[in-house]
Amino acid sequence: DAKTTQPNSMESNEEEPVHLPCNHSTISGTDYIHWYRQLPSQGPEYVIHGLTSNVNNRMASLAIAEDRKSSTLILHRATLRDAAVYYCILSVYDTSGTYKYIFGTGTRLKVLA
Amino acid sequence: DSGVTQTPKHLITATGQRVTLRCSPRSGDLSVYWYQQSLDQGLQFLIQYYNGEERAKGNILERFSAQQFPDLHSELNLSSLELGDSALYFCASSVGEGDFQETQYFGPGTRLLVL
Repeated sequence: DAKTTQPNSMESNEEEPVHLPCNHSTISGTDYIHWYRQLPSQGPEYVIHGLTSNVNNRMASLAIAEDRKSSTLILHRATLRDAAVYYCILSVYDTSGTYKYIFGTGTRLKVLA
Repeated sequence: DSGVTQTPKHLITATGQRVTLRCSPRSGDLSVYWYQQSLDQGLQFLIQYYNGEERAKGNILERFSAQQFPDLHSELNLSSLELGDSALYFCASSVGEGDFQETQYFGPGTRLLVL
């Protein structure tokens, strides 16, 4: 079964880059990698997603290993508002013709002022 | 604000009871997804509806059911409640059927406490 593994927690200093790792060694060729984050007392919010190539958007960058068995979410300059639980998710193709999200356990990011 | 609304915010009930959680998707979104977030199981996909029809099922118990109405709002019904059903229940919506590229927009959740 598809599964992701993330460190339980990480710390970063404000204004510094943060690299959040995720292992997904059981990923299959059609599974997409998504990252969402959950701020305190809120629902998860989209950060970024990709399949094989590295991706950049205004929030973050996603670096995907060549064998796709791991990926890294990069926040270029962490701010206090980035303190959240970051989820690495596999979007797994289902026989119903849709894609289901398989959430990892998440990494709680603490940003130090 | 994601544009997805959920009611109620909090719900306290007793074992054996039945409750209904409600979700209104973002304007224009046709898919609604339900998730359960508990301390021991994390975030788990329960079920997806697309334009009124069930589209995909996850780890949804038989005591739980959902539906999506013609105006696209959705309800999650939880019956014969047990202590272990205490959790945060999130609704999410997306514009289409749920393909690999679609972003899901999550609501603020309903916190259910079963005593």
